[in-house]
Amino acid sequence: EIVLTQSPDFQSVTPKEKVTITCRASQSIGSSLHWYQQKPDQSPKLLIKYASQSISGVPSRFSGSGSGTDFTLTINSLEAEDAATYYCHQSSSLPWTFGQGTKVEIK
Amino acid sequence: QLQLQESGPGLVKPSETLSLTCTVSGGSISSSSYYWGWIRQPPGKGLEWIGSIYYSGSTYYNPSLKSRVTISVDTSKNQFSLKLSSVTAADTAVYYCARERQQLPTNWFDPWGQGTLVTVSS
Repeated sequence: EIVLTQSPDFQSVTPKEKVTITCRASQSIGSSLHWYQQKPDQSPKLLIKYASQSISGVPSRFSGSGSGTDFTLTINSLEAEDAATYYCHQSSSLPWTFGQGTKVEIK
Repeated sequence: QLQLQESGPGLVKPSETLSLTCTVSGGSISSSSYYWGWIRQPPGKGLEWIGSIYYSGSTYYNPSLKSRVTISVDTSKNQFSLKLSSVTAADTAVYYCARERQQLPTNWFDPWGQGTLVTVSS
C-alpha cells in the first residue's frame, strides 16, 4: 500500500499569504496524485487532478506541482473562504489511499 | 449537473451488516469511463477508500476491508450500494459515495455525495 504523508498537519495563515502544502508518497506514483478541499461539515471537493491539472470552477489561486514522490499544493493569496482541510490522494496503484490531511486556519 | 445522494440507516448494531445506497441523478450510472466508489471518514479523522464498481458489475476493494465488503450496482434504478458485514465501533464513520473518473493512467473522485453518518452501537 502506498502511504501518503502530508506536511504540515496544521497551518494558521493570514489572508493574502501564500500557502504551501506538501504530500510525499512512499514510492513513485508518477503524476497520479490529486488534491481535495474539505470545508467543515462538507464533503470533499476536487481541486487539482493529475498533480497539476486545474479543475473548471476552482479559483486560479490553487495550483499543484510535482511528480514521482514529492508533490505540492499552493494557494496564492489565501482568502477567508479557503479555511478547510486539504487532502492528497493517489491512484497509481491499488488500494487508493489518501494523505492524513492538512488543516488550514485563517488568522 | 451530476448529483449523488447516500441513504440508509444511521445506526447499526455491532456484528450486524451496514447497508447504504447511493442514488445518482443528473447523469447515467452506465456511462463509460466512470466507476462509482465508496469512501469513509471516521469522526475527526481522514479519508479511507472502501471500494469501487463499474456499471457492468466489475468491482475492486480495499484489501483491508475486502472480506467484509460487497458493492453492487442497479443500473435500472441508477443506484449502487454498499454492504459491510460484521461491523464494530471502528466502522463508525461518515460514508461518502462518489463518481470515480478514469482517464488512464489515473482515477479521481468527482463529485462526492454529501455523506451519511453511520454509528455502530448497541
